[in-house]
Amino acid sequence: KQEVTQIPAALSVPEGENLVLNCSFTDSAIYNLQWFRQDPGKGLTSLLLIQSSQREQTSGRLNASLDKSSGRSTLYIAASQPGDSATYLCAAIKAAGNKLTFGGGTRVLVKP
Amino acid sequence: GAGVSQSPRYKVAKRGQDVALRCDPISGHVSLFWYQQALGQGPEFLTYFQNEAQLDKSGLPSDRFFAERPEGSVSTLKIQRTQQEDSAVYLCASSLPRRYSSNQPQNFGDGTRLSIL
Repeated sequence: KQEVTQIPAALSVPEGENLVLNCSFTDSAIYNLQWFRQDPGKGLTSLLLIQSSQREQTSGRLNASLDKSSGRSTLYIAASQPGDSATYLCAAIKAAGNKLTFGGGTRVLVKP
Repeated sequence: GAGVSQSPRYKVAKRGQDVALRCDPISGHVSLFWYQQALGQGPEFLTYFQNEAQLDKSGLPSDRFFAERPEGSVSTLKIQRTQQEDSAVYLCASSLPRRYSSNQPQNFGDGTRLSIL
C-alpha cells in the first residue's frame, strides 16, 4: 500500500526566502506525482504534475523534482511572498485515471 | 461555472441523521472521485466513478457510506446514521479518462464541510 509523507508539517519563513518542501513515498511504481495548494476553506489547486518518466517540472517560481528510485519529490518555491502562505500537498497516483494518495501536507507561512 | 461545484458548502447534522452531499463535475468529465479530509490531514480516497459505473469503492469507511452517479454526471455521496467521526470536509474531483490526455490532473471542488453534533 502506497504511503506518502510530508515533512515538516509546518514551516514559517521570512518573505523573500526560498521554500523547500519535501515529499516521500514508499512505492516507486507511480504513474505521476502532483503538487497541490490548498487555501483555508478551499479545495485543492493543482500546481505541478510530474510524469514518472520526468525528473522535474517548472512553472514560474515553482519547480518540482522527482526521484523515483529514492521515493522522493521536492517542491521549490523561489523568492517566497506572503501570498504563498497556504498548505501544500503532494499526491502520488499509481495508474492513469486512478485515485490519488496524499501526504499530510505542509502548512507554510510566509511572514512579510 | 467552469469548475467542479459542490453543495452544500456547509452541513451541520445531529448524530444519527442521514446526509446527502452533491457534486457537479466539470462538463464532459467522465471520471469522478470522492475524498474525505479530516482536520489537519491530507485527503483520503473514498470512491471512484467512470461515467455511471462505480469502479472502486474500497475507501468507503463503512456500509453507512453510499455514493451514486446514475446518469454519469452529477454524483451524490450519502451518509446514513451519521457519527461524530464522520465530521470532515468531503471533496469531489473530476478528470478526463486516459485516452483523452496522458496528463490529466484531477480538478477539485471547494468541498462540503460536514459537522456532526
